[in-house]
Amino acid sequence: SAVISQKPSRDICQRGTSLTIQCQVDSQVTMMFWYRQQPGQSLTLIATANQGSEATYESGFVIDKFPISRPNLTFSTLTVSNMSPEDSSIYLCSVEGGKSYEQYFGPGTRLTVT
Amino acid sequence: QQQVKQSPQSLIVQKGGISIINCAYENTAFDYFPWYQQFPGKGPALLIAIRPDVSEKKEGRFTISFNKSAKQFSLHIMDSQPGDSATYFCAASKKGGSEKLVFGKGTKLTVNP
Repeated sequence: SAVISQKPSRDICQRGTSLTIQCQVDSQVTMMFWYRQQPGQSLTLIATANQGSEATYESGFVIDKFPISRPNLTFSTLTVSNMSPEDSSIYLCSVEGGKSYEQYFGPGTRLTVT
Repeated sequence: QQQVKQSPQSLIVQKGGISIINCAYENTAFDYFPWYQQFPGKGPALLIAIRPDVSEKKEGRFTISFNKSAKQFSLHIMDSQPGDSATYFCAASKKGGSEKLVFGKGTKLTVNP
């Protein structure tokens, strides 16, 4: 399985500011995903990030609010822009595993917006 | 529209008992059904997964049962232990790990000693 790290692990941010979350994988992967998990809730996909192409966003999520970069096959960033308290969530990146049909998650970034 | 329905929302089991969590899906294009285990403050960890070409998969104390005609699958945890206390999520996707996962709402399992 892939080893995935995320930075920061948690942060407390002021309303109206932006935070960039980093996701680093120990092996090259084609597909990376960004999910949001609101407190006590399930996971919802924000966008899919393919290296060398624009991210594909799910309904309800827009690039201006959640810009994503994917500069190479082991790294991606998600920015949460112009934050409001409603953005307080855990943000998780995931990657496809070495075996097809497997997907692995990072430890998450716990964001609190005050 | 919730594409994967999970039940129960919470489950309390005695140590040594069997924990059963059920999921139902709607989209017949789904062909990969993983279960994730999540402890507080951690990311979800892949526990076990199944594809529709088999009806059951067992890994240690964890078993997935799959009923393609009913569009249902379930997780059975045998000899449940307090260390199994966590939130469990079922999920489904098309084309496996290279496609997005659609998650159920989760089941909070508590195993009492």
